[in-house]
Amino acid sequence: GAGVSQTPSNKVTEKGKYVELRCDPISGHTALYWYRQSLGQGPEFLIYFQGTGAADDSGLPNDRFFAVRPEGSVSTLKIQRTERGDSAVYLCASSLQGGSTDTQYFGPGTRLTVL
Amino acid sequence: AQSVTQLGSHVSVSEGALVLLRCNYSSSVPPYLFWYVQYPNQGLQLLLKYTSAATLVKGINGFEAEFKKSETSFHLTKPSAHMSDAAEYFCAVIEGGGFKTIFGAGTRLFVKA
Repeated sequence: GAGVSQTPSNKVTEKGKYVELRCDPISGHTALYWYRQSLGQGPEFLIYFQGTGAADDSGLPNDRFFAVRPEGSVSTLKIQRTERGDSAVYLCASSLQGGSTDTQYFGPGTRLTVL
Repeated sequence: AQSVTQLGSHVSVSEGALVLLRCNYSSSVPPYLFWYVQYPNQGLQLLLKYTSAATLVKGINGFEAEFKKSETSFHLTKPSAHMSDAAEYFCAVIEGGGFKTIFGAGTRLFVKA
């Protein structure tokens, strides 16, 4: 079956612009996670959805970042007034139920470059 | 607060040699521990996980890791390296009952012919 997909694979934008990054999880997975991976670092947790609701958004760096999952499937990460420091690979993962020991399946990521 | 430290950002071994990638964690409650691998141009993939059952955990591709509470370590090993093992490896921790995965900075493994 299909894995986690993310679009676009690459996004180049100018400082101050608004961007949306999309994640399609594995069908039937109730849990969805967003991470940010900067060059030379491990993924950094941003937000966790259980169904349609954000169960933990403590990793969002500031109020320019927002994520939604309106129907409990596809999720969109939205970044307003982008800054050069937002440049990173944004990873999405999904798991069947979202428990601590549940296996997370990762997408290939979206590479965001802010000029 | 949870944290993960991976000793050595780069490790180089010869094909057929032992692979040892080090990971130490910090957690205020019993943790769940994970090793992920990231091959070039591919997404992160789970290698193995410790979930408070057996302390020696076996994963895919011949890798295994041992949870040592007294040393707060979860080192990854493989008896004989293969060229196809060249990748970046990440150790990660979740505090029991939590949802937030904390990753280490990663160790890039090079395998020499």
